[in-house]
Amino acid sequence: NAGVTQTPKFQVLKTGQSMTLQCAQDMNHNSMYWYRQDPGMGLRLIYYSASEGTTDKGEVPNGYNVSRLNKREFSLRLESAAPSQTSVYFCASSTEVGEQFFGPGTRLTVL
Amino acid sequence: SQQGEEDPQALSIQEGENATMNCSYKTSINNLQWYRQNSGRGLVHLILIRSNEREKHSGRLRVTLDTSKKSSSLLITASRAADTASYFCARGSNDYKLSFGAGTTVTVRA
Repeated sequence: NAGVTQTPKFQVLKTGQSMTLQCAQDMNHNSMYWYRQDPGMGLRLIYYSASEGTTDKGEVPNGYNVSRLNKREFSLRLESAAPSQTSVYFCASSTEVGEQFFGPGTRLTVL
Repeated sequence: SQQGEEDPQALSIQEGENATMNCSYKTSINNLQWYRQNSGRGLVHLILIRSNEREKHSGRLRVTLDTSKKSSSLLITASRAADTASYFCARGSNDYKLSFGAGTTVTVRA
């Protein structure tokens, strides 16, 4: 089992460009999440999906959109990147008990 | 807002010593979880303690939960160099969302 995979690992964008971060899990989990992590801070929830076909906003959703493509895949889209979105992005999925499994992260720099 | 706040922010100990870090939170919880993050990596789940539990063990890890004080502690016994990492507590709610604190950075010196 690969667990949670994310692509790409690194990305540099110019202000105003768009991109999609991909995430997939092979653990048959219903719930999936997107977080961002900034220096000296814990993770902040951007969006989550409790089950296939549903998505909800988290703590910091502005500037992002998500798609739960199927049970395995949950993508995060930046429509018009801003320097404030420079961060490390983590995708996660969780068991029925609530334990979360994280991907390796995507380091995004917006110039 | 961050619902789990760790203390201390940083901790440096000698190999073989115990490391203790604390977590406080503000609102009610379904469970309290601890995660480890090695530099440049994703978070790894360590242990989950439910709101009706007071203590839980996993290998060299011991977690306590005091819901009356809205606090939890993580003890790592007989630390090793490989324990060098950041440790985060996360408040679990009924809707399967987690709220993370800012973390404690632990350095284990050889």
